[in-house]
Amino acid sequence: GDSVTQMEGPVTLSEEAFLTINCTYTATGYPSLFWYVQYPGEGLQLLLKATKADDKGSNKGFEATYRKETTSFHLEKGSVQVSDSAVYFCALTGSGGSNYKLTFGKGTLLTVNP
Amino acid sequence: DAGVIQSPRHEVTEMGQEVTLRCKPISGHDYLFWYRQTMMRGLELLIYFNNNVPIDDSGMPEDRFSAKMPNASFSTLKIQPSEPRDSAVYFCASSLAGAKGNEQFFGPGTRLTVL
Repeated sequence: GDSVTQMEGPVTLSEEAFLTINCTYTATGYPSLFWYVQYPGEGLQLLLKATKADDKGSNKGFEATYRKETTSFHLEKGSVQVSDSAVYFCALTGSGGSNYKLTFGKGTLLTVNP
Repeated sequence: DAGVIQSPRHEVTEMGQEVTLRCKPISGHDYLFWYRQTMMRGLELLIYFNNNVPIDDSGMPEDRFSAKMPNASFSTLKIQPSEPRDSAVYFCASSLAGAKGNEQFFGPGTRLTVL
């Protein structure tokens, strides 16, 4: 079945550092890929998405590119802020009949220190 | 616009009691999902509905769990009887069918503690 593997956390960075959170997936066909963010005490929010190979999703300075050849969707940000501290989840929806079902990675806790 | 609404936000109950969690999806959305989040198991999909009909309940842990969606604007997740291992944060999410890659909108969650 479909699965998502993302780097284990926690990740601790200083403000203005570069961020990369790795995500790889296993799925048949052409899944859609997502990054969700969960701030403390809140539900998940969509951060960005990509629905086909070579698409780049971007939002709030974060970017991720859908790489079908490496089955990856790594999250990057050039300069993190304290307010980016949260848990980040990589996820996919499969193609065909499972199009509406999200499969999540285990999440990566990011802490940004001033 | 109102997002997904869940109630209660926090629930503390004793083992053996019945627990009912409630969800109001975003108006017009035709998919509704129930998730459970724990430190050990991460985010798990329990069940999802399309147009009020349960489509996949393979994630429901056991018969103590049941979910209903009597109309397009309301769903419940019931645990009877509750056990300490049911302690978790339960999220409801909704989405609208359309182009590939539909975004799911999550509620704030219900934090359940079973003593």
